[in-house]
Amino acid sequence: NAGVTQTPKFQVLKTGQSMTLQCAQDMNHNSMYWYRQDPGMGLRLIYYSASEGTTDKGEVPNGYNVSRLNKREFSLRLESAAPSQTSVYFCASSEGRRGVFSWETQYFGPGTRLLVL
Amino acid sequence: TQLLEQSPQFLSIQEGENLTVYCNSSSVFSSLQWYRQEPGEGPVLLVTVVTGGEVKKLKRLTFQFGDARKDSSLHITAAQPGDTGLYLCAGLPYSGAGSYQLTFGKGTKLSVIP
Repeated sequence: NAGVTQTPKFQVLKTGQSMTLQCAQDMNHNSMYWYRQDPGMGLRLIYYSASEGTTDKGEVPNGYNVSRLNKREFSLRLESAAPSQTSVYFCASSEGRRGVFSWETQYFGPGTRLLVL
Repeated sequence: TQLLEQSPQFLSIQEGENLTVYCNSSSVFSSLQWYRQEPGEGPVLLVTVVTGGEVKKLKRLTFQFGDARKDSSLHITAAQPGDTGLYLCAGLPYSGAGSYQLTFGKGTKLSVIP
């Protein structure tokens, strides 16, 4: 099993460009998450999906959109990238049996490093 | 937003030394998790503590959840270079606290020098 995979691993964008970060999990998990990690800020939740077909905003959703394409895949889209969106983006998943926010293990992907110039 | 303060922010020690890192909040959490993150990778769960006063041991790592469920500590005995990494605590607030989001601290960056 690959666990949680993310593509691309690195990306450089110019301000105003758009892109989609892809995430897939092969653990048959119900819940999926997108976080960003910035120096001195820790991990912050952008969006989450409790189950296939549902998405909700997290702590820092502005400038992002998400799509839960199916149970395996959860994508994050930047419509018009800004330098403030330079960060490392992590996708995570959990079983989601107790509800999306419970003391379950979250399994993280390796991250996408994004630089917006 | 429920804040989790981690200390120290950075820690550099020699192999074989003991250390403790802390995770503190003014809010009550229903559970607290510790993750370790190595450079270029995503965080990996080490432990979940759910009962006030709970102590869990994982080989040389000892985790404690405060009696009031507002704080936690991670103690490493005889640190090894393989312990190097970023240690993150993450808490799940009680529903009455107004937020169901898993809150992460900013982390403690540990370097163990051979």
